[in-house]
Amino acid sequence: DGGITQSPKYLFRKEGQNVTLSCEQNLNHDAMYWYRQDPGQGLRLIYYSQIVNDFQKGDIAEGYSVSREKKESFPLTVTSAQKNPTAFYLCASRPGLEQPEQFFGPGTRLTVL
Amino acid sequence: AQSVAQPEDQVNVAEGNPLTVKCTYSVSGNPYLFWYVQYPNRGLQFLLKYITGDNLVKGSYGFEAEFNKSQTSFHLKKPSALVSDSALYFCAVRAGSSNTGKLIFGQGTTLQVKP
Repeated sequence: DGGITQSPKYLFRKEGQNVTLSCEQNLNHDAMYWYRQDPGQGLRLIYYSQIVNDFQKGDIAEGYSVSREKKESFPLTVTSAQKNPTAFYLCASRPGLEQPEQFFGPGTRLTVL
Repeated sequence: AQSVAQPEDQVNVAEGNPLTVKCTYSVSGNPYLFWYVQYPNRGLQFLLKYITGDNLVKGSYGFEAEFNKSQTSFHLKKPSALVSDSALYFCAVRAGSSNTGKLIFGQGTTLQVKP
């Protein structure tokens, strides 16, 4: 899991509530990514950011929002508009284009009650 | 469109036997290929990558993978499996021309190594 931390490890939310998942890295990596993992579906990209103050939608951005105000931090907000938010959320970072592999945090398991 | 397929949901192998986890890909241009491993309720750990060069790539924990351009495959292998290798394995691909670093992941293959 390296120098990428995610908190909390487990999160419970009532329907209709927004929640924010934290992702912090001390690796000085430029790019950061958020994925959602559901059983049997692999990882799907929600949002990504290649530089501070800039981010792009991934394949399943609806119902999610992000910010990238600092290089070290890339928080993900799961809004009430996300119809099925219960999942395992993974944050990743990448040093730069010359090193294409991504490094992952330990994940946050979100359960909607 | 880019895609990755892992045709087996689960692979079972006896400890000490060789293992293979299969991956095929579809991407325009030269592919960057990756293997990751995930233990229960943990993040993904990087195992190895292929960008260019030798078709046989060696990685962490004794794993290796063979890139086959004609068959568009990148199978993960290990000569002698350990019970501790039991985990979920993901193959991923990135188009070499991509400057976003976006990876496309397969659906994962569960490896079960029995004593």
